[in-house]
Amino acid sequence: DAGITQSPRYKITETGRQVTLMCHQTWSHSYMFWYRQDLGHGLRLIYYSAAADITDKGEVPDGYVVSRSKTENFPLTLESATRSQTSVYFCASSESRAQGGYEQYFGPGTRLTVT
Amino acid sequence: DQQVKQNSPSLSVQEGRISILNCDYTNSMFDYFLWYKKYPAEGPTFLISISSIKDKNEDGRFTVFLNKSAKHLSLHIVPSQPGDSAVYFCAARLKAAGNKLTFGGGTRVLVKP
Repeated sequence: DAGITQSPRYKITETGRQVTLMCHQTWSHSYMFWYRQDLGHGLRLIYYSAAADITDKGEVPDGYVVSRSKTENFPLTLESATRSQTSVYFCASSESRAQGGYEQYFGPGTRLTVT
Repeated sequence: DQQVKQNSPSLSVQEGRISILNCDYTNSMFDYFLWYKKYPAEGPTFLISISSIKDKNEDGRFTVFLNKSAKHLSLHIVPSQPGDSAVYFCAARLKAAGNKLTFGGGTRVLVKP
């Protein structure tokens, strides 16, 4: 019962490099989300996906790219990393239900440092 | 413009006493509210939720109250335990926005033995 996993857990990269953060869930949840957590801002939504091949922007999408070719995977790519993208990144998933039960289940996070 | 706000960044409480965490929102179209707990170096974990058609939901030591007219919700933890020391986030779901949630900035709770 792996649930939702993220890799790597820690990453240091240089400004301008491309980096991909991986997210994998074993529940077959329809929805998947990417958040970043920064001091004073709580959790801010970057991108989300309602199903495979369906993605949409969140609150802070600039500089990020996502894809979802399979239900269980939702990678997040920083095309050209900037120092302002230093953050802790969380992936989450949730089921699609007709009513209620909108809980999201989070991965352990990836701490990304851009130097 | 933050639609979900937690105005108290931190809270300190004695073990055994009540912890009260507050959350305010601005959008009356939010129809579902949740509280999450987060320990350092871990992802947030779901704690308790409430639908906008209710004003109270209880689960063990945790109770969430919703005051729709004031656009305010609160989380009560009774009695507080040292293991409750964590950051707590409130979140809200916008009707017709699928499963997308809007989170508050978080409140750090310290329970002193």
